[in-house]
Amino acid sequence: GQQVMQIPQYQHVQEGEDFTTYCNSSTTLSNIQWYKQRPGGHPVFLIQLVKSGEVKKQKRLTFQFGEAKKNSSLHITATQTTDVGTYFCAGWVKGGSYIPTFGRGTSLIVHP
Amino acid sequence: EAGVAQSPRYKIIEKRQSVAFWCNPISGHATLYWYQQILGQGPKLLIQFQNNGVVDDSQLPKDRFSAERLKGVDSTLKIQPAKLEDSAVYLCASSLGGGGGGTYNEQFFGPGTRLTVL
Repeated sequence: GQQVMQIPQYQHVQEGEDFTTYCNSSTTLSNIQWYKQRPGGHPVFLIQLVKSGEVKKQKRLTFQFGEAKKNSSLHITATQTTDVGTYFCAGWVKGGSYIPTFGRGTSLIVHP
Repeated sequence: EAGVAQSPRYKIIEKRQSVAFWCNPISGHATLYWYQQILGQGPKLLIQFQNNGVVDDSQLPKDRFSAERLKGVDSTLKIQPAKLEDSAVYLCASSLGGGGGGTYNEQFFGPGTRLTVL
């Protein structure tokens, strides 16, 4: 079955440092989504990437979708304590229908 | 706009007992998803409905788990009998559409039900 690998599992940074998490799929994706889950909370949608090589920005967050549509990354510039949480990618593959598969997530810990 | 509602929020049961979870998606959302999230892992899709039809249930342990979506709106997920390894948070999500490629499949999650099996 489809697998979505995400690294690293944890990342400790000092406030102000940058952070990147990477997502890799075993199969070509239709599209990829990113979610953030705060401790004790539920996943909240951040963004969706659809096109090969697509890059999208949301303030300090930059999302990329690989040319082959098998990998993606999320980069946060100058982290803040409010960025703390677990970031998940969810890759969509079309079999008979479109099915999402989540990565394991990267937990970001920001030290003030 | 009201979000996805789930109940109960917490449930503690003994192994071999049965349990049911309820989900009310955002009004008008065609697709409903049930996920199992074990501590430290990403959500694992158990079943996906589009309206009242099943899109995918390949990861649903059908010997003990069942789910239905009544009239294409509310949904229930049942476990019977529960095992220790079923301890997890059960998340329900809904989306306006159900397709990939950007067709309205942003998922809105409910608060989840935390299940502890003793």
